[in-house]
Amino acid sequence: SAVISQKPSRDICQRGTSLTIQCQVDSQVTMMFWYRQQPGQSLTLIATANQGSEATYESGFVIDKFPISRPNLTFSTLTVSNMSPEDSSIYLCSGWTDTYEQYFGPGTRLTVT
Amino acid sequence: AQKVTQAQTEISVVEKEDVTLDCVYETRDTTYYLFWYKQPPSGELVFLIRRNSFDEQNEISGRYSWNFQKSTSSFNFTITASQVVDSAVYFCALSEQGGTGGSYIPTFGRGTSLIVHP
Repeated sequence: SAVISQKPSRDICQRGTSLTIQCQVDSQVTMMFWYRQQPGQSLTLIATANQGSEATYESGFVIDKFPISRPNLTFSTLTVSNMSPEDSSIYLCSGWTDTYEQYFGPGTRLTVT
Repeated sequence: AQKVTQAQTEISVVEKEDVTLDCVYETRDTTYYLFWYKQPPSGELVFLIRRNSFDEQNEISGRYSWNFQKSTSSFNFTITASQVVDSAVYFCALSEQGGTGGSYIPTFGRGTSLIVHP
């Protein structure tokens, strides 16, 4: 299994600012993903964080808005840039292990005012 | 088309009732993985089970059981003798091989909200 932590757990930000969310895994994982979950909704994949290279973004998400880094096998960051109220959501980090299991962090609850 | 369909938006039961949550998936891959997750009101996603496409054996873990049937592309989840603590949103997910380097890209269903009344 893998234990995943995220910082911050929640934040309230003003529009136009940026927030960087950190994700730490207690063991090496082959893949790391970033998801967004709107209240009462399912999870939407933002991107796959690739170690040492540019993230792979899903349709509707772009690097300028959601830059992602993954400098090593256990750490990744997601930045939500130039925030607007529509970015208010829960952002979840997950890791995919070499035994083909996917674990999630506790999420970051973001409110943009 | 949705790859993972959880047709039941919300299920309400009384404690001690058995309840089955349905999950139907769609894929052309021969190798894939299916998951169930629990998301209690606290919000954290709890991993419950992973099944690979080559293992159709049903699994039981305490009050939880899973029925995987490739013939009907279904992976249903049953809770026996439900308890109030089972109240949560349950997500079914499918991981197919694809994307960069053949990585497994997960897709989630819309979730089923289970409410267990005392």
